[in-house]
Order: sequence, then structure tokens, then C-alpha cells
Amino acid sequence: EVQLVESGGVVVQPGGSLRLSCAASGFTLDDYTMYWVRQGPGNGLEWVSVLSWDGGNTSYADSVKGRFTISRDNSKNSLYLEMNSLRSEDTALYYCVKGGREDIVGVPTAMDVWGQGTTVTVSS
Amino acid sequence: DIQMTQSPSSLSASVGDRVTITCQASQDISNYLNWYQQKPGKAPKLLIYDASNLEAGVPSRFSGSGSGTDFTFTISSLQPEDVATYYCQQFHNLPLTFGGGTKVEIK
Repeated sequence: EVQLVESGGVVVQPGGSLRLSCAASGFTLDDYTMYWVRQGPGNGLEWVSVLSWDGGNTSYADSVKGRFTISRDNSKNSLYLEMNSLRSEDTALYYCVKGGREDIVGVPTAMDVWGQGTTVTVSS
Repeated sequence: DIQMTQSPSSLSASVGDRVTITCQASQDISNYLNWYQQKPGKAPKLLIYDASNLEAGVPSRFSGSGSGTDFTFTISSLQPEDVATYYCQQFHNLPLTFGGGTKVEIK
């Protein structure tokens, strides 16, 4: 069974740092483009970051650029999100998501597997 | 950035009713449009990809249509288990963006 399990969400003070982890099972992480998506309390969905399947390309939402870093460890089949200089507006449920439904050139066109999420609360 | 305008933001309908949600993109996104269902306390689930393709295992009462800037999501016969918030999402350009969501309830 294809599964994603996030961990690492805690309560952290403004300005603090945190690393989220996402353990993948049932598939090999480095065969797929992977994403982080977040959902603030009572809010909609916001794309945060993407890591291409070959590890060569990353991109970030403007709201987190320069503060967050996406990475992976192929030996652990795990995806990470390093979060620095945290702000109250970063408070959210963070989902690890697998890209899928690739087009004819192998670019994903949808998010087909979602983890259950891990909660980050930034508060003093 | 591509803005996704979804409407209505909420609706209430009876079991068996036909339900339609619309999503408009701020620029042409071809058919790079997906629909997700999020039940309370759960992660989103992919229902429709590339505007009109039904994800495996998803009931056929769900469907999607459209291309360019205007898209429609339909539940042909609303069931109690369809109570959820539905989101559209464009996959044409980064940053990937979602619509604001439509909360569907049973009347």
C-alpha cells in the first residue's frame, strides 16, 4: 500500500526552527515529484514547496521562500521540510503529497497520495 | 500567479440532487485542473484529474468538465457520504494554486 506518514509538528516560538519528516512506503520516493501543502486553521489549501523526482529542481511559495528548504534522503525513503524563522502565519497542518498522473513528458499533473498531516503551531 | 475562483463557497442540497460547482482560472490553464474532496478531519483526496478524468475507485456520480479558464464539477446524485469540502487546483504553472473550496452539506 502506498502511504505517507508525516511527523515533527510541534509548538514552536516565533523565530524558531523545525524540521518536518515524511516517511514513504509502498513506493520509491526518488521516482516521483513530491510536494508539501499546508492548511491553516479553518482555511483552504496552500501549496508550499516541490522537489522534482530527480532532486534537481525545487520551488517554493513566496510566503516561505528563503525560510523553508525541501529535501529528501533516498536511503530512508523520506522527504523533509526544514522550516526557519517561523511566523505565526506558518501555523498550519502540513501535508506531504506525492505527485502523479504524469503527462506524456513525465511531468505530474495531480497530487494523488496525501499523508495525514502534521500540525505546526507557531506561538509564544 | 494564477488565481482560482471557486463558487459557491457553500451549498446545501437534498440526497439525490444534482450538485454543480464551478471554478474559474485567471488565465488559460488548458486542462490542467484537478478536483479534490476533503472530508472533516481527513486529508484531501483526488477525485478528478486533467479536468475530466475520474480517479480510479471514485464513484461515477462524480464528473468534471471544462478547459481553458472555466471548469465544472458535478455530483449527479448527492449521497450522504459526499458531505465534504471540494477544492479545484490548477497544475499549469507554479505556484500551484487552489480554489477557496466549496462546502457541501445535506439539506
